[in-house]
Amino acid sequence: EAGVAQSPRYKIIEKRQSVAFWCNPISGHATLYWYQQILGQGPKLLIQFQNNGVVDDSQLPKDRFSAERLKGVDSTLKIQPAKLEDSAVYLCASSFLQTTEAFFGQGTRLTVV
Amino acid sequence: RKEVEQDPGPFNVPEGATVAFNCTYSNSASQSFFWYRQDCRKEPKLLMSVYSSGNEDGRFTAQLNRASQYISLLIRDSKLSDSATYLCVVNGRANNLFFGTGTRLTVIP
Repeated sequence: EAGVAQSPRYKIIEKRQSVAFWCNPISGHATLYWYQQILGQGPKLLIQFQNNGVVDDSQLPKDRFSAERLKGVDSTLKIQPAKLEDSAVYLCASSFLQTTEAFFGQGTRLTVV
Repeated sequence: RKEVEQDPGPFNVPEGATVAFNCTYSNSASQSFFWYRQDCRKEPKLLMSVYSSGNEDGRFTAQLNRASQYISLLIRDSKLSDSATYLCVVNGRANNLFFGTGTRLTVIP
């Protein structure tokens, strides 16, 4: 069974530039999460989708971050404009139901310089 | 108050030792609990789910105490390969999954 796919794996951008990350969840998984993990910390939930609807985006910095899951499958997370403190690994995860285990992609390591 | 709080660590233990991690959660209505393992520069992976009656998987035992709102992970006979960060995960008010900050374990030869 294919796992959660993410791209790109690495990205280096200058501050104030824009960047987008892509995620393809495991087939059949209705729930999709985006997490931000700063070095030395646990993953922080940014946004959770159930199919193509947003369940929770309370910790998403909406002035610069946006995410969509238009057809209830793939998702994109965008940062515009990026700040130095956005340097982190962005992890996408999916689960069959909201209360079942989440499977993670390998993440996108973002460095903002 | 954070949704999930964990022992800060790090834990450095010799091979063969028994080590325990604790985690507290704030939402008394939480129904799903997990322990994830994360190796350096890798994604988190499920170690085990935590059930109300407690559960065991080989050298690993997970316990849930709903009254005190904490979960624990016990690792017996530690191996070098157990060195990793262990993340406590609890579902929150919107049935989303919240992670603790993680406890780093290093098993020393």
